[in-house]
Amino acid sequence: KQEVTQIPAALSVPEGENLVLNCSFTDSAIYNLQWFRQDPGKGLTSLLLIQSSQREQTSGRLNASLDKSSGRSTLYIAASQPGDSATYLCAVAPYGNKLVFGAGTILRVKS
Amino acid sequence: GAGVSQSPSNKVTEKGKDVELRCDPISGHTALYWYRQSLGQGLEFLIYFQGNSAPDKSGLPSDRFSAERTGGSVSTLTIQRTQQEDSAVYLCASRRRLAGDEQYFGPGTRLTVT
Repeated sequence: KQEVTQIPAALSVPEGENLVLNCSFTDSAIYNLQWFRQDPGKGLTSLLLIQSSQREQTSGRLNASLDKSSGRSTLYIAASQPGDSATYLCAVAPYGNKLVFGAGTILRVKS
Repeated sequence: GAGVSQSPSNKVTEKGKDVELRCDPISGHTALYWYRQSLGQGLEFLIYFQGNSAPDKSGLPSDRFSAERTGGSVSTLTIQRTQQEDSAVYLCASRRRLAGDEQYFGPGTRLTVT
C-alpha cells in the first residue's frame, strides 16, 4: 500500500528565507507526483506536476525535484513571502491513478 | 477557461438525512475523482470515473455512499442516512485523458452533520 509522508509537519520562517519541504513515498511505481497548495477553507491549487520520467520542474520561485528510485521529492521555495503561507500537500499517482496524499506541511512566513 | 465547480459550497444537515453533492468537471475532461478531507484523516480517495468504464469505488467508506456520473460530465455524490463522522470537506477533481495528466480540483463542499 502506497504511503506518503511529509516533513516537517509545520514550518515558520522569516520573510526572504529559502526553504525546502520534503515528501517521501513507499512505492516507486507511480505515474507522477504533484505538489499542491491549500489556503484555509479553500480547495487545492496545483503548483507543480512531475512525471515519473522527469527529475525536476520549475515555476517561478518554486522548484520541485523527484527521485523515484529512492521515493523522495522536495519542494524548494526561494525568497519566501508572507503570501506563501499555506498548507503544502504532496500527492503521488500510483498506477491505479487515484492520488495518495501526504498529511501536508503548514508553512507560515513571517513579515 | 472554467475550472471544476462544486455545489453547494456549504451544507449543514441533520443526522439521518440524505445529501447530494454536485461536481461539474472541466469540459472535455474524461476522468473525475471524489476525495474527502477530514480532520485526523487527511485527504482520502473515494471514487473514480474514467470515460464509460465501470467506476473504481474502492475508496467508498460504506454502502451509504454512492456516486454517479451522467453523460460523462456532471457527477453527484450521495450520502444516505448521514452520520456525524461524515462531516468533512468533499473535493472533486477532473483530469484530461491520460493517466499521467494533472488533476484539477474544485473548491469543495463543506458538509456538517449535526
